[in-house]
Amino acid sequence: GAVVSQHPSWVICKSGTSVKIECRSLDFQATTMFWYRQFPKQSLMLMATSNEGSKATYEQGVEKDKFLINHASLTLSTLTVTSAHPEDSSFYICSAAWDSVEQYFGPGTRLTVT
Amino acid sequence: GQNIDQPTEMTATEGAIVQINCTYQTSGFNGLFWYQQHAGEAPTFLSYNVLDGLEEKGRFSSFLSRSKGYSYLLLKELQMKDSASYLCAVRRGNTDKLIFGTGTRLQVFP
Repeated sequence: GAVVSQHPSWVICKSGTSVKIECRSLDFQATTMFWYRQFPKQSLMLMATSNEGSKATYEQGVEKDKFLINHASLTLSTLTVTSAHPEDSSFYICSAAWDSVEQYFGPGTRLTVT
Repeated sequence: GQNIDQPTEMTATEGAIVQINCTYQTSGFNGLFWYQQHAGEAPTFLSYNVLDGLEEKGRFSSFLSRSKGYSYLLLKELQMKDSASYLCAVRRGNTDKLIFGTGTRLQVFP
């Protein structure tokens, strides 16, 4: 149980375009979803926390107008990277949690902006 | 501020025991997690400590001392597949947010 999926698993886009990444909890309802970014050989950096039906809470230094998060249902959250630039190339990972201690992580999405 | 430190890299031999340390200074503490992450994959949960002491789970054990802001992950009977990054993460205060440490890349040699 507690499976989280992400789609796509990898994406290449041109600079200036937007990319949407989906995060789904497949067998449970997630009250909270988290979005992380991980650069090569670095640890996970929390970008934002989203709760179903409310606005996401962004961490300091993360531009909310650039990284749009929508948590439309208890099983789906989306992250849209708007006007992507090469420096946005990274591994984006989501996690989902309900009223338990543990966060369940998705398999990640590798974004490359050319 | 938030500060979670781990050694960057460690090496060990197959069959041996290795201890990965994690020290933290965070505003609020509500538990410490250890995750394993293979390259290009998502982290997988290993252990959770919220009270002082040792939690044992098979070949892996985790220890916590809240007064010292210190934890370690102990891996016994190392196998080649244990070569991965090990991430220490602290849960902040009354939130579900996890703050991750720098991660420790462990290489196991035959």
